[in-house]
Amino acid sequence: GEDVEQSLFLSVREGDSSVINCTYTDSSSTYLYWYKQEPGAGLQLLTYIFSNMDMKQDQRLTVLLNKKDKHLSLRIADTQTGDSAIYFCAPGGKLIFGQGTELSVKP
Amino acid sequence: DAGVTQSPTHLIKTRGQHVTLRCSPISGHKSVSWYQQVLGQGPQFIFQYYEKEERGRGNFPDRFSARQFPNYSSELNVNALLLGDSALYLCASSLDRGGDYEQYFGPGTRLTVT
Repeated sequence: GEDVEQSLFLSVREGDSSVINCTYTDSSSTYLYWYKQEPGAGLQLLTYIFSNMDMKQDQRLTVLLNKKDKHLSLRIADTQTGDSAIYFCAPGGKLIFGQGTELSVKP
Repeated sequence: DAGVTQSPTHLIKTRGQHVTLRCSPISGHKSVSWYQQVLGQGPQFIFQYYEKEERGRGNFPDRFSARQFPNYSSELNVNALLLGDSALYLCASSLDRGGDYEQYFGPGTRLTVT
């Protein structure tokens, strides 16, 4: 079946860059999305990338896509404590999510 | 513009009871999806509705049902509640980008079954 895999935890220091990785099996999606979930809240759409792009930059966020390897990554520059949350990647054509990556930012 | 709204925010039910959760999508969105998120897990897809018709169903028992109304709002019903149904129930409305879905989530309904 369709699958999305992410590492469960990432811990960084404030001001460092964070890189969250995702692998997926679906290759049919035209768009791939990143969502952020803060404790007790719903998911917030962060950014997306069109499948014919390799990279997209959106302020502190950079999305990299390796379509051949079905690998997606989200880089957060100058990570702040407010970035602490769970991050989910999601192929747009499938309504599936992995377990998400919990990002912990230490001051 | 208002985002996706869900009601109620929190709910406590007893085993065997039924529950109805409600969702109002963003104005102009015709697709609504429901997810169950158990603590420590990612959202699990339950249903998708588009233009009042069921477009997709996840691997959930028949105790779970849903519908979408002419104004595109939606209800999720769960009968014969089990302790394992305790979770955050998320509703998302979406723009249909030709089969891809840019989803906007509500704050969720926290259901506790005792």
